[in-house]
Amino acid sequence: QQKVQQSPESLIVPEGGMASLNCTSSDRNVDYFWWYRQHSGKSPKMLMSIFSNGEKEEGRFTVHLNKASLHTSLHIRDSQPSDSALYLCAASPNTGKLTFGDGTVLTVKP
Amino acid sequence: EAAVTQSPRNKVTVTGGNVTLSCRQTNSHNYMYWYRQDTGHGLRLIHYSYGAGNLQIGDVPDGYKATRTTQEDFFLLLELASPSQTSLYFCASSDEGSLYEQYFGPGTRLTVL
Repeated sequence: QQKVQQSPESLIVPEGGMASLNCTSSDRNVDYFWWYRQHSGKSPKMLMSIFSNGEKEEGRFTVHLNKASLHTSLHIRDSQPSDSALYLCAASPNTGKLTFGDGTVLTVKP
Repeated sequence: EAAVTQSPRNKVTVTGGNVTLSCRQTNSHNYMYWYRQDTGHGLRLIHYSYGAGNLQIGDVPDGYKATRTTQEDFFLLLELASPSQTSLYFCASSDEGSLYEQYFGPGTRLTVL
């Protein structure tokens, strides 16, 4: 069964700091990676997706993908208290079935 | 934005009880999913479907049945509920056209006493 491992389990960064989250899949058939964000008491919402090797930037958020190692990372610069949430990584072999990791809890301290 | 609704939002039942959770999406998406989320875990896939009448087994299907009656409606059935099924349940939908980005409903909190 495909596994998606995320690290760290939890992370505390100061306001204005950089947060770095990691995710690795054990399934060599995986093609697509997503990052979802879930604020406390809310449902998950897609934050960023990446399907090709390299880097993708959207505002303060940057995601990297290395397909050879099946590793993706999410970097949040100038972190804000509103970024405090559970960040979920998901992977899929280009089918409708996604596998989610257990998540990283990010806390941004004012 | 994609719309997925779930009912009920909260449900309390007793061990051995019957529970049906409902999900409706109005986005014309082909795929619909049921997940459970427990403290310390991400989202674990129970069942999913890629169209009316279709059902695919997910990663944690034991104790659950599901039925997709129309493109819009997907139901999760717990016929003999157990305390281990106490959890937060999310429904989601997606489509090949949006590269399987999943849109989630607000969740149903189920407590089995």
